[in-house]
Amino acid sequence: DTAVSQTPKYLVTQMGNDKSIKCEQNLGHDTMYWYKQDSKKFLKIMFSYNNKELIINETVPNRFSPKSPDKAHLNLHINSLELGDSAVYFCASSGIMNTEAFFGQGTRLTVV
Amino acid sequence: AQKITQTQPGMFVQEKEAVTLDCTYDTSDQSYGLFWYKQPSSGEMIFLIYQGSYDEQNATEGRYSLNFQKARKSANLVISASQLGDSAMYFCAMSNPFYTGANSKLTFGKGITLSVRP
Repeated sequence: DTAVSQTPKYLVTQMGNDKSIKCEQNLGHDTMYWYKQDSKKFLKIMFSYNNKELIINETVPNRFSPKSPDKAHLNLHINSLELGDSAVYFCASSGIMNTEAFFGQGTRLTVV
Repeated sequence: AQKITQTQPGMFVQEKEAVTLDCTYDTSDQSYGLFWYKQPSSGEMIFLIYQGSYDEQNATEGRYSLNFQKARKSANLVISASQLGDSAMYFCAMSNPFYTGANSKLTFGKGITLSVRP
Protein backbone atom coordinates (compact mmCIF):
# COMPACT_ATOMS: atom_id res chain seq x y z
CA ASP A 1 0.00 0.00 0.00
CA THR A 2 1.72 3.14 -1.26
CA ALA A 3 2.33 5.77 1.42
CA VAL A 4 2.65 8.82 -0.87
CA SER A 5 1.27 8.44 -4.36
CA GLN A 6 1.24 10.99 -7.12
CA THR A 7 -0.18 10.85 -10.61
CA PRO A 8 0.67 10.89 -13.39
CA LYS A 9 4.21 9.49 -13.43
CA TYR A 10 4.90 11.00 -16.84
CA LEU A 11 3.37 14.08 -18.39
CA VAL A 12 4.21 15.38 -21.86
CA THR A 13 2.46 18.54 -22.96
CA GLN A 14 2.77 21.52 -25.24
CA MET A 15 3.80 25.01 -24.22
CA GLY A 16 0.92 27.13 -23.08
CA ASN A 17 -1.20 24.27 -21.79
CA ASP A 18 -2.51 23.91 -18.23
CA LYS A 19 -1.86 20.70 -16.34
CA SER A 20 -2.34 19.23 -12.87
CA ILE A 21 -0.43 16.72 -10.77
CA LYS A 22 -2.25 14.97 -7.97
CA CYS A 23 -0.79 13.74 -4.69
CA GLU A 24 -2.26 11.72 -1.86
CA GLN A 25 -0.74 10.36 1.34
CA ASN A 26 -2.19 7.71 3.65
CA LEU A 27 0.28 8.21 6.50
CA GLY A 28 -1.88 10.58 8.51
CA HIS A 29 0.79 13.28 8.16
CA ASP A 30 -0.16 16.91 8.68
CA THR A 31 2.45 18.44 6.39
CA MET A 32 2.80 17.98 2.64
CA TYR A 33 5.27 19.45 0.19
CA TRP A 34 6.05 19.94 -3.45
CA TYR A 35 9.68 19.74 -4.54
CA LYS A 36 11.16 20.32 -7.98
CA GLN A 37 14.17 18.38 -9.28
CA ASP A 38 15.88 20.08 -12.19
CA SER A 39 17.91 18.58 -15.01
CA LYS A 40 21.03 18.60 -12.82
CA LYS A 41 19.19 16.57 -10.19
CA PHE A 42 19.05 19.45 -7.72
CA LEU A 43 16.01 19.29 -5.43
CA LYS A 44 14.35 22.42 -4.15
CA ILE A 45 11.26 23.10 -2.10
CA MET A 46 8.37 24.81 -3.87
CA PHE A 47 5.49 24.72 -1.39
CA SER A 48 4.50 23.25 1.90
CA TYR A 49 1.06 22.89 3.44
CA ASN A 50 0.16 22.07 7.00
CA ASN A 51 -3.36 20.76 7.51
CA LYS A 52 -4.61 22.45 4.33
CA GLU A 53 -2.91 25.76 5.09
CA LEU A 54 -0.12 27.15 2.89
CA ILE A 55 3.04 27.54 4.95
CA ILE A 56 5.91 27.86 2.48
CA ASN A 57 5.90 29.43 -0.97
CA GLU A 58 9.47 29.61 -2.19
CA THR A 59 9.39 32.33 -4.86
CA VAL A 60 7.60 30.09 -7.30
CA PRO A 61 5.93 31.80 -10.32
CA ASN A 62 2.25 32.32 -9.71
CA ARG A 63 1.52 30.08 -12.69
CA PHE A 64 2.02 27.32 -10.12
CA SER A 65 -0.91 26.97 -7.75
CA PRO A 66 -1.06 24.27 -5.10
CA LYS A 67 -4.40 23.20 -3.72
CA SER A 68 -5.08 21.11 -0.65
CA PRO A 69 -8.71 19.95 -0.40
CA ASP A 70 -7.87 18.04 2.81
CA LYS A 71 -4.73 17.20 4.74
CA ALA A 72 -4.24 13.94 2.82
CA HIS A 73 -4.17 15.59 -0.59
CA LEU A 74 -1.99 18.24 -2.17
CA ASN A 75 -2.39 18.90 -5.87
CA LEU A 76 -0.27 21.09 -8.10
CA HIS A 77 -1.81 23.01 -10.97
CA ILE A 78 0.39 24.70 -13.52
CA ASN A 79 -0.94 27.29 -15.96
CA SER A 80 0.58 28.38 -19.26
CA LEU A 81 3.35 25.83 -19.21
CA GLU A 82 6.79 26.94 -20.38
CA LEU A 83 9.76 24.95 -21.65
CA GLY A 84 11.64 25.76 -18.44
CA ASP A 85 9.00 24.01 -16.36
CA SER A 86 10.28 20.66 -17.61
CA ALA A 87 11.51 18.83 -14.52
CA VAL A 88 10.60 16.09 -12.09
CA TYR A 89 8.09 17.16 -9.45
CA PHE A 90 7.96 15.32 -6.16
CA CYS A 91 5.25 15.35 -3.58
CA ALA A 92 6.29 14.53 0.01
CA SER A 93 4.80 14.37 3.48
CA SER A 94 6.10 14.46 7.01
CA GLY A 95 4.69 14.02 10.48
CA ILE A 96 4.70 16.43 13.41
CA MET A 97 8.16 15.45 14.63
CA ASN A 98 9.56 15.41 11.11
CA THR A 99 11.93 12.52 11.69
CA GLU A 100 10.81 10.97 8.41
CA ALA A 101 9.80 12.57 5.16
CA PHE A 102 8.40 10.29 2.49
CA PHE A 103 8.30 11.08 -1.18
CA GLY A 104 5.98 10.10 -3.97
CA GLN A 105 7.41 8.41 -7.05
CA GLY A 106 7.76 11.70 -8.90
CA THR A 107 6.14 13.15 -12.01
CA ARG A 108 8.42 13.75 -14.96
CA LEU A 109 6.97 16.77 -16.76
CA THR A 110 8.18 17.46 -20.28
CA VAL A 111 7.04 20.61 -22.02
CA VAL A 112 7.52 20.64 -25.80
CA ALA B 1 20.26 29.84 6.09
CA GLN B 2 20.96 26.15 5.86
CA LYS B 3 23.45 24.62 3.49
CA ILE B 4 24.35 21.05 2.63
CA THR B 5 27.60 20.27 0.84
CA GLN B 6 28.30 17.05 -1.00
CA THR B 7 31.54 17.41 -2.92
CA GLN B 8 32.35 13.86 -4.03
CA PRO B 9 31.61 13.82 -7.75
CA GLY B 10 31.14 10.10 -8.04
CA MET B 11 32.09 7.11 -5.99
CA PHE B 12 32.97 3.55 -6.93
CA VAL B 13 32.99 0.60 -4.58
CA GLN B 14 33.56 -3.08 -5.00
CA GLU B 15 30.62 -5.31 -4.18
CA LYS B 16 30.61 -6.47 -0.53
CA GLU B 17 32.92 -3.65 0.58
CA ALA B 18 31.92 -0.69 2.74
CA VAL B 19 31.70 2.85 1.40
CA THR B 20 31.39 6.28 3.02
CA LEU B 21 29.50 9.11 1.36
CA ASP B 22 30.42 12.54 2.69
CA CYS B 23 28.07 15.28 3.77
CA THR B 24 28.80 18.52 5.59
CA TYR B 25 26.22 21.03 6.65
CA ASP B 26 25.94 24.55 7.91
CA THR B 27 23.24 25.98 10.14
CA SER B 28 22.97 28.44 12.98
CA ASP B 29 20.13 26.52 14.63
CA GLN B 30 20.65 24.27 17.63
CA SER B 31 17.88 21.85 16.64
CA TYR B 32 17.89 20.22 13.25
CA GLY B 33 17.51 16.88 11.54
CA LEU B 34 19.73 15.21 8.96
CA PHE B 35 18.45 12.80 6.33
CA TRP B 36 19.83 10.59 3.61
CA TYR B 37 17.89 9.58 0.54
CA LYS B 38 18.63 7.14 -2.27
CA GLN B 39 17.51 7.85 -5.81
CA PRO B 40 17.98 4.87 -8.14
CA SER B 41 17.83 5.22 -11.91
CA SER B 42 14.08 4.55 -11.75
CA GLY B 43 13.73 7.98 -10.15
CA GLU B 44 11.97 7.53 -6.83
CA MET B 45 13.32 9.09 -3.65
CA ILE B 46 13.83 6.46 -0.95
CA PHE B 47 14.25 7.55 2.66
CA LEU B 48 17.22 5.75 4.21
CA ILE B 49 18.12 7.17 7.60
CA TYR B 50 17.58 10.07 9.97
CA GLN B 51 19.72 11.71 12.66
CA GLY B 52 18.51 14.34 15.09
CA SER B 53 20.94 17.00 16.26
CA TYR B 54 20.43 16.02 19.90
CA ASP B 55 20.72 12.29 19.34
CA GLU B 56 23.79 11.08 21.19
CA GLN B 57 24.10 7.84 19.29
CA ASN B 58 24.75 7.53 15.57
CA ALA B 59 21.69 6.36 13.67
CA THR B 60 21.70 2.92 12.09
CA GLU B 61 19.23 1.23 9.75
CA GLY B 62 20.28 -2.19 8.56
CA ARG B 63 23.36 -1.78 6.36
CA TYR B 64 23.17 2.03 6.63
CA SER B 65 24.72 4.04 9.41
CA LEU B 66 25.18 7.73 9.82
CA ASN B 67 28.53 8.94 11.15
CA PHE B 68 27.42 12.13 12.90
CA GLN B 69 30.17 14.49 14.03
CA LYS B 70 28.41 17.55 15.36
CA ALA B 71 31.49 19.66 16.07
CA ARG B 72 32.70 19.13 12.50
CA LYS B 73 29.18 19.55 11.12
CA SER B 74 29.41 16.35 9.16
CA ALA B 75 26.87 13.58 8.64
CA ASN B 76 28.47 10.93 6.50
CA LEU B 77 26.54 7.89 5.31
CA VAL B 78 28.26 4.54 5.65
CA ILE B 79 26.95 1.64 3.60
CA SER B 80 28.34 -1.71 4.69
CA ALA B 81 28.58 -4.80 2.48
CA SER B 82 27.69 -2.95 -0.73
CA GLN B 83 25.31 -4.62 -3.14
CA LEU B 84 24.81 -4.06 -6.86
CA GLY B 85 21.40 -2.61 -6.04
CA ASP B 86 23.06 0.16 -4.04
CA SER B 87 24.14 1.81 -7.30
CA ALA B 88 22.20 5.08 -7.25
CA MET B 89 22.39 8.76 -6.46
CA TYR B 90 22.48 9.62 -2.76
CA PHE B 91 21.25 12.87 -1.30
CA CYS B 92 21.98 14.36 2.08
CA ALA B 93 19.38 16.78 3.42
CA MET B 94 18.57 18.72 6.53
CA SER B 95 15.41 20.06 8.05
CA ASN B 96 15.32 23.28 9.96
CA PRO B 97 13.78 24.12 12.39
CA PHE B 98 13.33 20.60 13.62
CA TYR B 99 10.48 20.67 16.06
CA THR B 100 8.14 22.80 14.01
CA GLY B 101 6.85 20.32 11.48
CA ALA B 102 4.93 22.86 9.49
CA ASN B 103 8.07 24.79 8.58
CA SER B 104 10.46 21.89 8.26
CA LYS B 105 11.30 21.89 4.60
CA LEU B 106 14.22 19.79 3.49
CA THR B 107 17.33 21.49 2.12
CA PHE B 108 19.24 19.12 -0.14
CA GLY B 109 22.82 18.72 -1.24
CA LYS B 110 23.69 18.18 -4.88
CA GLY B 111 23.94 14.43 -4.46
CA ILE B 112 26.62 11.80 -4.98
CA THR B 113 26.53 9.04 -7.56
CA LEU B 114 27.58 5.66 -6.24
CA SER B 115 28.46 2.81 -8.57
CA VAL B 116 28.93 -0.67 -7.16
CA ARG B 117 31.24 -2.90 -9.20
CA PRO B 118 30.72 -6.68 -9.28
